[in-house]
Amino acid sequence: GDSVTQTEGQVTVSESKSLIINCTYSATSIGYPNLFWYVRYPGEGLQLLLKVITAGQKGSSRGFEATYNKEATSFHLQKASVQESDSAVYYCALSVGTQVVGQLTFGRGTRLQVYA
Amino acid sequence: DPKIIQKPKYLVAVTGSEKILICEQYLGHNAMYWYRQSAKKPLEFMFSYSYQKLMDNQTASSRFQPQSSKKNHLDLQITALKPDDSATYFCASSQRLGGKETLYFGSGTRLTVL
Repeated sequence: GDSVTQTEGQVTVSESKSLIINCTYSATSIGYPNLFWYVRYPGEGLQLLLKVITAGQKGSSRGFEATYNKEATSFHLQKASVQESDSAVYYCALSVGTQVVGQLTFGRGTRLQVYA
Repeated sequence: DPKIIQKPKYLVAVTGSEKILICEQYLGHNAMYWYRQSAKKPLEFMFSYSYQKLMDNQTASSRFQPQSSKKNHLDLQITALKPDDSATYFCASSQRLGGKETLYFGSGTRLTVL
């Protein structure tokens, strides 16, 4: 089946430093993968951060960027300068167009802690 | 204001009992979903509904039954509760876009079964 791997369960970064959260995927279902990053701030629900549905394209939102790399099957999340307010859990997710509608395959999430 | 409302936020139940988790969306979407996140596991797809009809069911147990009384409602009834059912249950919605749907999630109901 399809899978998403986030290698880091937790990342701790100093404010104003750069960030990379790794995400790789495996899509065995027939169809074209769509890739997403969701974020969950403390006490809140999941929010869509960004999505990319075309290989080679980059998505961006709130200073975060991720590029859909089909060759490397990766969708790493990056930010040049993090803030304390970015502290949250980040989830990489995958859907494949011809599979079950609305079925996202999620990674386990990466908890980002930003300290001043 | 939240556009997807889930109630209650927290729920404690005893083994063998029955509970209903409520979900309403005000995004005007025509599809709704349930996901579950158990401790130390990724979010898992459970059900999808469109126009109040079940589209897909990835839940093995018949103890989990979605109920849609209105097109913007999708409740989840869970019967004969077990401790393994303890999880956070997320409701989501989207417009149907031929496989390119973007899902929007509620804040979840955390269920604890004792």
